[in-house]
Amino acid sequence: DAKTTQPNSMESNEEEPVHLPCNHSTISGTDYIHWYRQLPSQGPEYVIHGLTSNVNNRMASLAIAEDRKSSTLILHRATLRDAAVYYCILNRAGGTSYGKLTFGQGTILTVHP
Amino acid sequence: DTEVTQTPKHLVMGMTNKKSLKCEQHMGHRAMYWYKQKAKKPPELMFVYSYEKLSINESVPSRFSPECPNSSLLNLHLHALQPEDSALYLCASSQLVGQGAIDEQFFGPGTRLTVL
Repeated sequence: DAKTTQPNSMESNEEEPVHLPCNHSTISGTDYIHWYRQLPSQGPEYVIHGLTSNVNNRMASLAIAEDRKSSTLILHRATLRDAAVYYCILNRAGGTSYGKLTFGQGTILTVHP
Repeated sequence: DTEVTQTPKHLVMGMTNKKSLKCEQHMGHRAMYWYKQKAKKPPELMFVYSYEKLSINESVPSRFSPECPNSSLLNLHLHALQPEDSALYLCASSQLVGQGAIDEQFFGPGTRLTVL
């Protein structure tokens, strides 16, 4: 499975944008880029996913580099509730993956009031 | 209803006990998953069921025995566990569109297991 590399931790102030980077230099053409987050004492929560084009949803935006070797999750206005561990995960289409998610260490996001 | 429920929330068991964890979803999802999460570590996949059949077993010891009685229910039977098996056990489900690569997985809150 292709691996992802994320910074261990990042900090932000409330109501400011946050850019969470992820490197995936060995990504294959059929790997979808998924982001999940895990708030304290909760199960992980889906945030967004994409393949090649940038994606937006109500929670965040996903910017994917042209060569797909990196991506950035963008939280447009951080709130205290966004403090969580953010995981960047590659999910391979085809074969027998059945949506298998392999979580890396993730980035701990701290949001200051 | 976009919720995955797990019972019990907490479980303490001895090494000779037999217990079961239960997971339920009513979203019509056809894939269900068990993950194990140790403290301050990321979740690790244990099992995947697709269309009520075991599709993936990540080389999990046989003291963990999954069961999918129907498309809404997933159980994890526990027997002769070790103290190092103490962890948060997370259940998830997804629609299984295609082979699941674009699925959004919905996670339950987990069962915190302590093995004495």
